[in-house]
Amino acid sequence: AAGVIQSPRHLIKEKRETATLKCYPIPRHDTVYWYQQGPGQDPQFLISFYEKMQSDKGSIPDRFSAQQFSDYHSELNMSSLELGDSALYFCASSLAGEKLFFGSGTQLSVL
Amino acid sequence: AQKVTQAQTEISVVEKEDVTLDCVYETRDTTYYLFWYKQPPSGELVFLIRRNSFDEQNEISGRYSWNFQKSTSSFNFTITASQVVDSAVYFCALSDTGTASKLTFGTGTRLQVTL
Repeated sequence: AAGVIQSPRHLIKEKRETATLKCYPIPRHDTVYWYQQGPGQDPQFLISFYEKMQSDKGSIPDRFSAQQFSDYHSELNMSSLELGDSALYFCASSLAGEKLFFGSGTQLSVL
Repeated sequence: AQKVTQAQTEISVVEKEDVTLDCVYETRDTTYYLFWYKQPPSGELVFLIRRNSFDEQNEISGRYSWNFQKSTSSFNFTITASQVVDSAVYFCALSDTGTASKLTFGTGTRLQVTL
């Protein structure tokens, strides 16, 4: 069965650079979520989209933005990267608010 | 505010032992969902179970079982006859609303199963 696809799997950036993470939800899922998991931490909710509209917002920095496109894929854009942004970024999708299925994550390292 | 507490930071067991991972939650919502996810060393988050607040029936799936006690706000997870492949970090999570729109995770319990 198709799962949530995230790209890239690993990303290395320098401070003050910009990064874009991509997420392709499970087909026919209507909601996409982004989570950030710092080293040794639990995942923290960043933002979600329902039918391409932002549906909820968590602890997402102003330097970050996200959107969901007409084909339902989503992108998380991060600018002016800081060392503290180094984390595993998960995308998840669900159908009608049912259980969340997570992708394998994008490991972002900011040097 | 939502809160999930997993008091056990790390548990180490020998293969074939049974192990229970504790989860205690706080919420003001009357309708909510509880989840368990497994995060193996490879890093992905694997869905294990979702339970809604109206269903206190215990559930068993193979070697896994879950005990939901609303009276004590607990949703404990037991692995019977543990195996090395069970080694992972296990997260308990709580939904923010009546749907799984946003999860609040506990800090996770690292389970190490050795031979």
